[in-house]
Amino acid sequence: KAGVTQTPRYLIKTRGQQVTLSCSPISGHRSVSWYQQTPGQGLQFLFEYFSETQRNKGNFPGRFSGRQFSNSRSEMNVSTLELGDSALYLCASSLAPGDVSNEQFFGPGTRLTVL
Amino acid sequence: GESVGLHLPTLSVQEGDNSIINCAYSNSASDYFIWYKQESGKGPQFIIDIRSNMDKRQGQRVTVLLNKTVKHLSLQIAATQPGDSAVYFCAEWSGGYQKVTFGTGTKLQVIP
Repeated sequence: KAGVTQTPRYLIKTRGQQVTLSCSPISGHRSVSWYQQTPGQGLQFLFEYFSETQRNKGNFPGRFSGRQFSNSRSEMNVSTLELGDSALYLCASSLAPGDVSNEQFFGPGTRLTVL
Repeated sequence: GESVGLHLPTLSVQEGDNSIINCAYSNSASDYFIWYKQESGKGPQFIIDIRSNMDKRQGQRVTVLLNKTVKHLSLQIAATQPGDSAVYFCAEWSGGYQKVTFGTGTKLQVIP
């Protein structure tokens, strides 16, 4: 069974631009969560989607948004990029939310650099 | 607010020795904890978890200890190997949703 895939793996953008990152969960997994990882802040929760609905959201500005499609694939979008948005963006999938035994499987991440 | 923190940013261990990575948390209502391993260029990988109604759980070469009195948990790795070199995160599950709050991470360096 293929793992969580994220595309692209690396991305370079300039300030003010917008970016869309994609995540394909493990087949059969319906819950997708997004995290931002930076050296200074560590791993921080962005949001979580299940059945095309955002069920939980972290403390990030409205420039960060996401969506989930009917096939459980998810995208996140960052508009008006700032230098501080440079980070590794991780996607994690699980069978379903709400059950603590549902292990999250992480993808390799998308490394975003904002110049 | 809740927070999860780690005591040491870097830990160097001789190959074959045991490693102990510590983590403190502040939310006394936390009821589920996870240890993750993150190798360079990869996403975090689940190692072991523990619920608050337990004080110890063992896996293959790993043991997690939970002390709810002082809100502290630790990850013990037996006979540390070069492949154990990675950053280790403790994390707290918020319950109900797929939200995991991560600590800052400890980098484990295994000296051959």
